[in-house]
Amino acid sequence: NAGVTQTPKFRVLKTGQSMTLLCAQDMNHEYMYWYRQDPGMGLRLIHYSVGEGTTAKGEVPDGYNVSRLKKQNFLLGLESAAPSQTSVYFCASRTDRYLIAGYTFGSGTRLTVV
Amino acid sequence: AQTVTQSQPEMSVQEAETVTLSCTYDTSESDYYLFWYKQPPSRQMILVIRQEAYKQQNATENRFSVNFQKAAKSFSLKISDSQLGDAAMYFCAYRSAAGNNRKLIWGLGTSLAVNP
Repeated sequence: NAGVTQTPKFRVLKTGQSMTLLCAQDMNHEYMYWYRQDPGMGLRLIHYSVGEGTTAKGEVPDGYNVSRLKKQNFLLGLESAAPSQTSVYFCASRTDRYLIAGYTFGSGTRLTVV
Repeated sequence: AQTVTQSQPEMSVQEAETVTLSCTYDTSESDYYLFWYKQPPSRQMILVIRQEAYKQQNATENRFSVNFQKAAKSFSLKISDSQLGDAAMYFCAYRSAAGNNRKLIWGLGTSLAVNP
């Protein structure tokens, strides 16, 4: 099925460890986004990309890095995980061909930092 | 800066009945887009319905419809003939039609329970 695929779906990290979350979309979308979702705080934008080779900071970028070397992939990295980064992470993508286009979301990654 | 407010953290509805979820937003722009997303327990966010601000006609998608009041900056979602599968978190979102990034501004969500 076409869509957005996130890997892994679950992960437990120890404080200070690093990891990379992978987001892959097969819809040739230009825009890609990384969000975190925490109880009572809704969705907060971490980083986003408007095209291959470009990235930009969102609302809560500290402690995260991203890369978009290929149009279909958007990677989110945690260099030194902290308990405050325990969250559910969502990737989304969107075409820029139609202004009314909505986002297509992945199924999320639940990350626990202990 | 734009903001989106969902004043009802939780709501419930009886199966087969109708429920309306509220959303208000604040903006000085005249051209923008509004969305309702559903997040079921499976976690994946699903687009339910969308509205273009310059269209006066309210959007409708099967059992889902909106009441868009531009002057009042209100964008409520009506679910008719509620089904058990409608139980989910519902998020209202705003996006400006201007600018290159066109990021979504999200409300905090309304948790909808459907009682059999």
